[in-house]
Amino acid sequence: DIVMTQSPLSLPVTPGEPASISCRSSQSLLHSIGYNYLHWYLQKPGQSPQLLIFLGSNRASGVPDRFSGSVSGTDFTLKISRVEAEDAGVYYCMQALQMYTFGQGTKLEIK
Amino acid sequence: QVQLAQSGSELKKPGASVKVSCKASGYNFTSYAMNWVRQAPGQGLEWMGWINTNTGNPTYAQGFTGRFVFSLDTSVSTAYLEISSLRAEDTAVYFCARGHDYGDFPDYWGQGTQVTVSS
Repeated sequence: DIVMTQSPLSLPVTPGEPASISCRSSQSLLHSIGYNYLHWYLQKPGQSPQLLIFLGSNRASGVPDRFSGSVSGTDFTLKISRVEAEDAGVYYCMQALQMYTFGQGTKLEIK
Repeated sequence: QVQLAQSGSELKKPGASVKVSCKASGYNFTSYAMNWVRQAPGQGLEWMGWINTNTGNPTYAQGFTGRFVFSLDTSVSTAYLEISSLRAEDTAVYFCARGHDYGDFPDYWGQGTQVTVSS
């Protein structure tokens, strides 16, 4: 099974400051068609999860451009250029190459 | 617009069964996979599996075989999750989530259904 490891698990951020969340997979998520099958979700308090980034670096519809995703081998990073209060919640990475698995989640809290 | 409307909260006794529904609207139901995701109290997300809405073929994640069944009624654009022989550890919120244009991974999500198992 592919194991997804996120860090940090807790991330306090001041509004206006940048934030970065890491997700490492136990094996390559590169599909034969050339895409990394890694996606990022945000679950705001009391809400259903929402898709932020798909296939490693593509913003989902309606997602602000302050969110970006990058890939380096089996290391994946979600960056927020300038955190806003509405960005609070738990961020999950999920691999979708083999029998999907989520990371443990990173709780972003606003200072 | 795409909407997934799930059935309401359920309180069940151990050993009973429960059937959660997920009614889709705003798109062609059989054109996208339907995923199921579990979230135990205070815990993270756990992918349970998905069902091909065109063929009805289900795929179950490890740990969700045997007591968990995905099914469809395409005539009413609805997916179902049935859990039998309920245990206390099945207490969780269960989400349905439609597949994406670029793959079967979750895109649009339902509001979640709370299932509580208690004697």
